Amino acid sequence: DTAVSQTPKYLVTQMGNDKSIKCEQNLGHDTMYWYKQDSKKFLKIMFSYNNKELIINETVPNRFSPKSPDKAHLNLHINSLELGDSAVYFCASSQGGGSAPLHFGNGTRLTVT
Amino acid sequence: DQQVKQNSPSLSVQEGRISILNCDYTNSMFDYFLWYKKYPAEGPTFLISISSIKDKNEDGRFTVFLNKSAKHLSLHIVPSQPGDSAVYFCAASAIGGTSYGKLTFGQGTILTVHP
Repeated sequence: DTAVSQTPKYLVTQMGNDKSIKCEQNLGHDTMYWYKQDSKKFLKIMFSYNNKELIINETVPNRFSPKSPDKAHLNLHINSLELGDSAVYFCASSQGGGSAPLHFGNGTRLTVT
Repeated sequence: DQQVKQNSPSLSVQEGRISILNCDYTNSMFDYFLWYKKYPAEGPTFLISISSIKDKNEDGRFTVFLNKSAKHLSLHIVPSQPGDSAVYFCAASAIGGTSYGKLTFGQGTILTVHP
């Protein structure tokens, strides 16, 4: 009964490859997010979607393309991976975007070699 | 340009004692603050929040205090338990703005509670 699930949990790939991370939530929330936790442990927002529409795009390189086929899914596709993309990526969801707390997935650790 | 800062990377306390985790922010537009707890290999989980119209919010063993003039908030855990050992993240948002659901996080404080 996982609320926010993302796959894969670990992803090791070489520079220049294209990869995707999938995220699904079964909470019935209307807003989904991608956050990146960098090597300094800061969690920073990348994107947010509300009812499948892009709301926030936080100056992320256009090699990163989120796709929301429906309210329950928000996938992240990354083209031409670079070493600096190595990080832990967290998917999250909430009902609305105001004071509703975010529910996070367990993260995908991406390592680019 | 970190708008939310947790200046203590780690904190160690004895079981049964009080744990106090601190957080400072610089953006005066922030009007809602949250604390998240994170265990290894898991995502952050919501713990407690406070609106800027309040200066205190309590939920069981957890209390968050907000000092708007000092742009400072703190999380008190009383009594601390070994299961509280985790990384604690402070986060802030500007509800009234256009940053729909955007949370700005601090870098976290590792809390270790010794039996």
